[in-house]
Amino acid sequence: SQQGEEDPQALSIQEGENATMNCSYKTSINNLQWYRQNSGRGLVHLILIRSNEREKHSGRLRVTLDTSKKSSSLLITASRAADTASYFCATDSNSGYALNFGKGTSLLVTP
Amino acid sequence: ETGVTQTPRHLVMGMTNKKSLKCEQHLGHNAMYWYKQSAKKPLELMFVYSLEERVENNSVPSRFSPECPNSSHLFLHLHTLQPEDSALYLCASSPRLAGGLGANVLTFGAGSRLTVL
Repeated sequence: SQQGEEDPQALSIQEGENATMNCSYKTSINNLQWYRQNSGRGLVHLILIRSNEREKHSGRLRVTLDTSKKSSSLLITASRAADTASYFCATDSNSGYALNFGKGTSLLVTP
Repeated sequence: ETGVTQTPRHLVMGMTNKKSLKCEQHLGHNAMYWYKQSAKKPLELMFVYSLEERVENNSVPSRFSPECPNSSHLFLHLHTLQPEDSALYLCASSPRLAGGLGANVLTFGAGSRLTVL
């Protein structure tokens, strides 16, 4: 069943700008992950944040997690054309065996 | 190359055909998954296998039949499909099942693009 819901559905920015995507979920989670998918390809894991963490960084990526609001955000700083892709949040919990994904945010970065 | 290989990458089949999708991983992972990705929809979990045993079947029509002969290989057998089954079918693997307190990262294959005529 769908757990994460990304917002916005589509985002268009210019190179050098920051891109922020949000994810909301419905039930308690153990971890939240962000994945990236280039057109017609599989998903690639970007970053994982545990339920007891509030913020995490990896290179140009910054992820925040607010468990009281059941939401997360992914910030990509100084975006590049190569960041053009769809971004998905995924959650897991004690009640299932697999990750649950949302519909994703489609990011377009123009030179 | 992620370590999860899916074949074929593209498949066109008629509604009366029988075909199979194959997924192979040599990452030493114990869990394998089939997801379906349709346009403008969330990824739909279809099947989950752990150590060759099916642990989840998300109300998938019987025209999709999974097979996991060993922990490195996963198949999705297709027969009498419908045009609405056209989608990108993604295989993934992970060291263990999701859930519980341990973090579990999925490694995906590139997908098999299926078109049903």
